[in-house]
Amino acid sequence: QVQLVQSGSELKKPGASVKVSCKASGYTFTSYAMNWVRQAPGQGLEWMGWINTNTGNPTYAQGFTGRFVFSLDTSVSTAYLQISSLKAEDTAVYYCVLPSGDAFDIWGQGTMVTVSS
Amino acid sequence: SYELTQPLSVSVALGQTARITCGGNNIGSKNVHWYQQKPGQAPVLVIYRDSNRPSGIPERFSGSNSGNTATLTISRAQAGDEADYYCQVWDSSRVFGTGTKVTVL
Repeated sequence: QVQLVQSGSELKKPGASVKVSCKASGYTFTSYAMNWVRQAPGQGLEWMGWINTNTGNPTYAQGFTGRFVFSLDTSVSTAYLQISSLKAEDTAVYYCVLPSGDAFDIWGQGTMVTVSS
Repeated sequence: SYELTQPLSVSVALGQTARITCGGNNIGSKNVHWYQQKPGQAPVLVIYRDSNRPSGIPERFSGSNSGNTATLTISRAQAGDEADYYCQVWDSSRVFGTGTKVTVL
């Protein structure tokens, strides 16, 4: 079955960087774009953008440009989210998500990133 | 940017019907999707394209969309339906609603 498995929780200091991985299985990795969604503690869902898994071309939503980078390693069917110059407000759960049409069909289990000194 | 407004909370008696609204400008012209999120879990798609249920989602979940309001209806509410619910559309980007906490009394 189609599955997205994300890397484990991270605790980082302000100013550091973090790289979250999302390993896909059960389908051809390059058949579907990979999306990323953020959820701050006690808050709603925010779409961060997506990456074309054929070309590697990323598209970032408003508010997620500059410090956020989507990347791929197609040889291991894995997508990555890297956040640099971490701030306390980056503390959130980050989800990788597969679309079906313009809905979000398959979600990773989420990765908690905590930024604290 | 496009905004989707949901009530903060909805309460429903066990076995009764809950209706969760999602307001947006001319939302009836867009495809609306609904997600259920239980504490500590990833969201789950429960309705796609206004009124379609993915496999495995009970028939008790239904959706409609017209004018400026989309609605998710949960019939014969069960304790297990307690969760946060989010609507979502595409409008030059993917937009989520503000989220509604459903409490089953």
